Amino acid sequence: NAGVMQNPRHLVRRRGQEARLRCSPMKGHSHVYWYRQLPEEGLKFMVYLQKENIIDESGMPKERFSAEFPKEGPSILRIQQVVRGDSAAYFCASSPGSDEQYFGPGTRLTVT
Amino acid sequence: KQEVTQIPAALSVPEGENLVLNCSFTDSAIYNLQWFRQDPGKGLTSLLLIQSSQREQTSGRLNASLDKSSGRSTLYIAASQPGDSATYLCAALSGGSNYKLTFGKGTLLTVNP
Repeated sequence: NAGVMQNPRHLVRRRGQEARLRCSPMKGHSHVYWYRQLPEEGLKFMVYLQKENIIDESGMPKERFSAEFPKEGPSILRIQQVVRGDSAAYFCASSPGSDEQYFGPGTRLTVT
Repeated sequence: KQEVTQIPAALSVPEGENLVLNCSFTDSAIYNLQWFRQDPGKGLTSLLLIQSSQREQTSGRLNASLDKSSGRSTLYIAASQPGDSATYLCAALSGGSNYKLTFGKGTLLTVNP
């Protein structure tokens, strides 16, 4: 059973561009979570999704950030018009239910 | 609002030493507490998960304890090795939700050969 997969592993964007981060949960897992780790900071919860539903997006910035988990395909975290402050490691986790979360390797976003 | 604190922020020990990493949390109404390892530039590896009804969990040279009443957890590493060098994170699942992990900032451990 493959683990949680994230791509790309590294992403460089210029200010103003869009960043799309993908997360494929473990097989059989229908719950996906996104966390962000800013430099010198701990991981912070961003959003919790189940198939086709956003359950809790209380940790997401109100503007420019959106997330989806469609019926088919990976979960996508989209950041529009990126700024330097968006540079961080973005981690995705999945779980089969309300249980232990399994983390992916992360996507490291650098905004130049 | 749950807050998780880890002390110390960094720790350097000689190989072979036993050591303890500390984690404290403000809201004792947790569902579980999890310890992770993070290597530089890498993802998170789950080490141990302690359910709220448990007092401790063991895996190999690692032992994690949980005291909900005092809001504390410790990770004990026996006979440390240079390969144990990494950042260790603790995370509490709580806050009225059973899905939102609150992380500490981690302890950076260096084991010197």
